[in-house]
Amino acid sequence: GAVVSQHPSWVICKSGTSVKIECRSLDFQATTMFWYRQFPKQSLMLMATSNEGSKATYEQGVEKDKFLINHASLTLSTLTVTSAHPEDSSFYICSARAPTGSYEQYFGPGTRLTVT
Amino acid sequence: EDQVTQSPEALRLQEGESSSLNCSYTVSGLRGLFWYRQDPGKGPEFLFTLYSAGEEKEKERLKATLTKKESFLHITAPKPEDSATYLCAVQAANSGYALNFGKGTSLLVTP
Repeated sequence: GAVVSQHPSWVICKSGTSVKIECRSLDFQATTMFWYRQFPKQSLMLMATSNEGSKATYEQGVEKDKFLINHASLTLSTLTVTSAHPEDSSFYICSARAPTGSYEQYFGPGTRLTVT
Repeated sequence: EDQVTQSPEALRLQEGESSSLNCSYTVSGLRGLFWYRQDPGKGPEFLFTLYSAGEEKEKERLKATLTKKESFLHITAPKPEDSATYLCAVQAANSGYALNFGKGTSLLVTP
């Protein structure tokens, strides 16, 4: 149980284009999902918290107009990197809060974004 | 400000050589402390949640313990397949369920 998937697993795009990453909870409903970014040899940095049916809450320093988050259903959250630049190249990982009553987060496999 | 510090940064063990990883934390009102395992190029895999000082949890060769200031992940008789980065994260009571991660300990177990 508590499986989270991400699509795509890797993507290469040209500078200036936009990329959408999907995060799905496969066997449970997730009212809250989280988006993290991880640079090589670094730990996970929280970018934003996504709640179903409402606007995402972004961490300080994360540009909300650049990283668009939509959580339209209880099983799907999307992250769109708009006008991507090489410095946006990173490993993006989503997580979903466990079903009601527990506090764990279950993570997706991650999406490797390379902007050329 | 919440802080999570993991040590050592890297650890190399021989198969069967037991050791411990440390996670020191400061947080305003701990809701939970979490241990994850991360393999290269993969998302973190949940291991344990600890909620209060004195709590212990075990899974196969791993045992996690918690005090008011730190947590330990004990690895007993490790095998090469235990090689991974082990991440510690804290969740503050007022965090809205967000996790604050340490930088991790990279563990290599050699045959």
